[in-house]
Amino acid sequence: ESVVTQSPGTLSLSPGERATLSCRASQSVSSSYVAWYQQKPGQAPRLLIYGASSRASGIPDRFSGSGSGTDFTLTISRLEPEDFAVYFCQHYGSSPPLYTFGPGTKVDIK
Amino acid sequence: QVQLQESGPGLVKPSQTLSLTCSVSGGSISSGTYYWSWIRQYPGKGLEWIGYIYYSGTTYYNPSLKSRVTISVDTSENQFSLKVSSVTAADTAVYYCARVFQGFGPRFEYWGQGTLVTVSS
Repeated sequence: ESVVTQSPGTLSLSPGERATLSCRASQSVSSSYVAWYQQKPGQAPRLLIYGASSRASGIPDRFSGSGSGTDFTLTISRLEPEDFAVYFCQHYGSSPPLYTFGPGTKVDIK
Repeated sequence: QVQLQESGPGLVKPSQTLSLTCSVSGGSISSGTYYWSWIRQYPGKGLEWIGYIYYSGTTYYNPSLKSRVTISVDTSENQFSLKVSSVTAADTAVYYCARVFQGFGPRFEYWGQGTLVTVSS
């Protein structure tokens, strides 16, 4: 079973700045099996990125994903006020099926 | 637009069975493209996948919970359900239902709003 970690735990930035969030799997994974979600207080997570780099429907292009092997990155090019939230990465293992989430990175206002 | 809505008791006593239902609207649960899943989020904010079901009744569960979890589907009602037996305080969490795309880029596309279940006597 692959363990998923995220860093940093908290990222303090100002609106307009670039955010770079890291997700690491303990074993090499197919990039098609990595997704990212955004969660705001009191809300369910919202899908941002799937297949490591494909944006979900309606997601602004300031959000981008990249990576391969064990290291994946979510980048927010210029933070908007509504982007301050917690971000989770998710890995899928296919044999047997198993979804694993990272512990999350909180992006808060500096 | 697909919408999912969880329902069920918010308080369950230790050793009893937690039962939740997810009602799906805006799309048929019998669509062959998707799986239907339960996920929970602990008070400390960690997310845990519980399992999912296909409209045919095929299920897959997280091995860490498999012995206590049952997911079932009712296509006539466009609903699917979760049962967790022998609950303890460690099962206290917000429970979400979600639609899963299981093709390229497996992902949870749509989520319910979540329902808090507290295990306490």
